[in-house]
Amino acid sequence: QQQVKQSPQSLIVQKGGISIINCAYENTAFDYFPWYQQFPGKGPALLIAIRPDVSEKKEGRFTISFNKSAKQFSLHIMDSQPGDSATYFCAASPSGSARQLTFGSGTQLTVLP
Amino acid sequence: DAGITQSPRYKITETGRQVTLMCHQTWSHSYMFWYRQDLGHGLRLIYYSAAADITDKGEVPDGYVVSRSKTENFPLTLESATRSQTSVYFCASSGLAGREQYFGPGTRLTVT
Repeated sequence: QQQVKQSPQSLIVQKGGISIINCAYENTAFDYFPWYQQFPGKGPALLIAIRPDVSEKKEGRFTISFNKSAKQFSLHIMDSQPGDSATYFCAASPSGSARQLTFGSGTQLTVLP
Repeated sequence: DAGITQSPRYKITETGRQVTLMCHQTWSHSYMFWYRQDLGHGLRLIYYSAAADITDKGEVPDGYVVSRSKTENFPLTLESATRSQTSVYFCASSGLAGREQYFGPGTRLTVT
């Protein structure tokens, strides 16, 4: 049972363009929504995270938009750069002490120079 | 400042053999996690631990065993490896204060 659905599977963007990756979740107990960035041969690293009490969070060129009623959240990368080429995973974690993350299936982003 | 390390980084083993993947963190984080990464599936949680001597199953625990006798170590054992366990395994840790998980570099395991 896939509780976090991520799209698209792959994305090609020109340098300077906007990259948009979408995720949808089912479990209403989720209350923490991080995005991870992974480069080949490396472990995932936290990029940005949001809680459902805000609709948007921005850190530099990266923005999370959150729609609680639709149970959807998205990552926007503004002014995309070739160095942003990586695999991006959305994830969600429920409230409580367990803290386990449920990941989306990942989006491979390629930014063309 | 080693952070979180995994060993070995690469392992080839035969079907039916027991293999243990090691994970060590230097932050004294309470929480530790094991994930496997397979194409098309993202990362799936195998087991996690909230503290020493406290472990619990994740989404895909069958065929795996964990232990956590010390806060800093969280080994993952495949008791009898199968080809379906060929994957990249990531260990992660998280402190009490925040919910960010810090991932190790991964172990690429091939079962022949």
